[in-house]
Amino acid sequence: EPEVTQTPSHQVTQMGQEVILRCVPISNHLYFYWYRQILGQKVEFLVSFYNNEISEKSEIFDDQFSVERPDGSNFTLKIRSTKLEDSAMYFCASSADRGGRNSPLHFGNGTRLTVT
Amino acid sequence: RKEVEQDPGPFNVPEGATVAFNCTYSNSASQSFFWYRQDCRKEPKLLMSVYSSGNEDGRFTAQLNRASQYISLLIRDSKLSDSATYLCVVSLPGFQKLVFGTGTRLLVSP
Repeated sequence: EPEVTQTPSHQVTQMGQEVILRCVPISNHLYFYWYRQILGQKVEFLVSFYNNEISEKSEIFDDQFSVERPDGSNFTLKIRSTKLEDSAMYFCASSADRGGRNSPLHFGNGTRLTVT
Repeated sequence: RKEVEQDPGPFNVPEGATVAFNCTYSNSASQSFFWYRQDCRKEPKLLMSVYSSGNEDGRFTAQLNRASQYISLLIRDSKLSDSATYLCVVSLPGFQKLVFGTGTRLLVSP
């Protein structure tokens, strides 16, 4: 079964540094997402991306965050200047269509970001 | 009121037991409903979509009550491998954003 892949599985960075989290969505999917989960808390929506632009973003997704689809396969999340509170598991997801019950989201296995 | 509310548990049940989880959501405009399963420090995995008429997939049965804004999941004949956190998830109009509950933890013991 096709799957969403994310790299790296674990990223440790110092506060103030830039990080790029990478994702390869399922190849025929058109909608891409980033979610995050702080340890012990619920999964939270960050951003959705379609047709090479952001279609929706949450209040968490401030100016420190950006997303890009630099080529036909990768989808990246950049955090410009990391803060301690950015430490979380970041999940990439994709869906074939708008993500309703006939087109559910498929999640990657996550990147654990630790900011020290 | 939380957007999606679940009893965090844990629910401790023996193998073979039947267990039910409930979930309520606050936005009456919510359009799609799901149960996801999450193992410790892993990604959420879709267990099943929830249809208005209720639906079953093997040992799992999901129900939706739109009037009460309530979703349920019933697991029959629990297996050790069912031990996980079960996430109630709703999508808002436009489907761009999924809203997750905090999850209900299930522990199935021998």
